[in-house]
Amino acid sequence: AQTVTQSQPEMSVQEAETVTLSCTYDTSESDYYLFWYKQPPSRQMILVIRQEAYKQQNATENRFSVNFQKAAKSFSLKISDSQLGDAAMYFCAYDMNYGGSQGNLIFGKGTKLSVKP
Amino acid sequence: DSGVTQTPKHLITATGQRVTLRCSPRSGDLSVYWYQQSLDQGLQFLIQYYNGEERAKGNILERFSAQQFPDLHSELNLSSLELGDSALYFCASSPSLVDDREKLFFGSGTQLSVL
Repeated sequence: AQTVTQSQPEMSVQEAETVTLSCTYDTSESDYYLFWYKQPPSRQMILVIRQEAYKQQNATENRFSVNFQKAAKSFSLKISDSQLGDAAMYFCAYDMNYGGSQGNLIFGKGTKLSVKP
Repeated sequence: DSGVTQTPKHLITATGQRVTLRCSPRSGDLSVYWYQQSLDQGLQFLIQYYNGEERAKGNILERFSAQQFPDLHSELNLSSLELGDSALYFCASSPSLVDDREKLFFGSGTQLSVL
């Protein structure tokens, strides 16, 4: 069975600095999607970034980028120029790209990110 | 605002009772997903519907059931409630385009408290 592990329960970063959140996963599949979701205190789950496993190029979305290491099954999120609004729980998620299974996400336990002014 | 609407936002009930959670997906989205977020289990996929039909099941208890109606809104029914069912229940929907089907847009959730 697929699993997602986030080994950092909490992280802290100074405003305007860069922080990296770690995620590892386990799967025997070769085609899948990986995601980072953000959950601020409002509880809303917000998609931050998506990576398709067959693409070697790392995904980027403005200040957010990933380091996808397929062989190592590692998928880290880098937040550059951290802002106070980045403070939230961040969840790494896995989705097997197979038929009707798309959207049936397996989530990690989350990393709570604090941003210091 | 994700465009996914969930009602009610909060629900307080007693053990043994039955409740219904409602979800309206984004306009045009055919798929609806239900997730449960609890302190013990984290975020777990419960069930998926696509255009009115059940598509996939996750860790959904037999006491729980769901359906998707012709207008594409969905309801999650929780019965014989136990204290451990207290959680935040999310609904999500996804676009129907092949390349975007796995992009989930989440509602703001229903916080269920079973006393």
